[in-house]
Amino acid sequence: AQSVTQLGSHVSVSEGALVLLRCNYSSSVPPYLFWYVQYPNQGLQLLLKYTSAATLVKGINGFEAEFKKSETSFHLTKPSAHMRDAAEYFCAVRAAGNNRKLIWGLGTSLAVNP
Amino acid sequence: DTEVTQTPKHLVMGMTNKKSLKCEQHMGHRAMYWYKQKAKKPPELMFVYSYEKLSINESVPSRFSPECPNSSLLNLHLHALQPEDSALYLCASSQDFSQENTEAFFGQGTRLTVV
Repeated sequence: AQSVTQLGSHVSVSEGALVLLRCNYSSSVPPYLFWYVQYPNQGLQLLLKYTSAATLVKGINGFEAEFKKSETSFHLTKPSAHMRDAAEYFCAVRAAGNNRKLIWGLGTSLAVNP
Repeated sequence: DTEVTQTPKHLVMGMTNKKSLKCEQHMGHRAMYWYKQKAKKPPELMFVYSYEKLSINESVPSRFSPECPNSSLLNLHLHALQPEDSALYLCASSQDFSQENTEAFFGQGTRLTVV
């Protein structure tokens, strides 16, 4: 069965610093992986997705993630944090088999300090 | 048009009330979803409609009743809710539920408070 672990429920960075949000997955089949962002009082917005085409995936708002099969990881990075990046970030994996629902991580709350 | 529109944005209802949440998408997606989300938690899947048929019901209490009138619309009928049902209710859609590599598009949600 698939699962997702997000290391660090809270991450705090200074404006302009590197953002690194960690996501490790468990999957018996090649996974489809997603990063979503949720700003306060809003719905979820897709940042990027991995669908086996390229291991380095570029997303919106300057974010990117690298799929590393050997480490079962799909960490999200951004070279320079901006105040508007403060939000909740969720990593998710698509379940295999007939049940195609998303399996979600518990989320990481990113704070950006001036 | 890449939006999923949910109405209302906020809803306060008593435990004896009947209300409905509405969701609309015009992306031609054939899968639509209802999620429940508590603060600082990931969304919890409630229902999945695929080609207008209920495909998944995650053992949701019968006081929540979904309806898919057509491929663009999804409703969630609420009756006799409890205070613990207060949450953000999110609607989402995707191109096809059977396609593993397609993402879900989410609406802004309805913030529901049960008093």
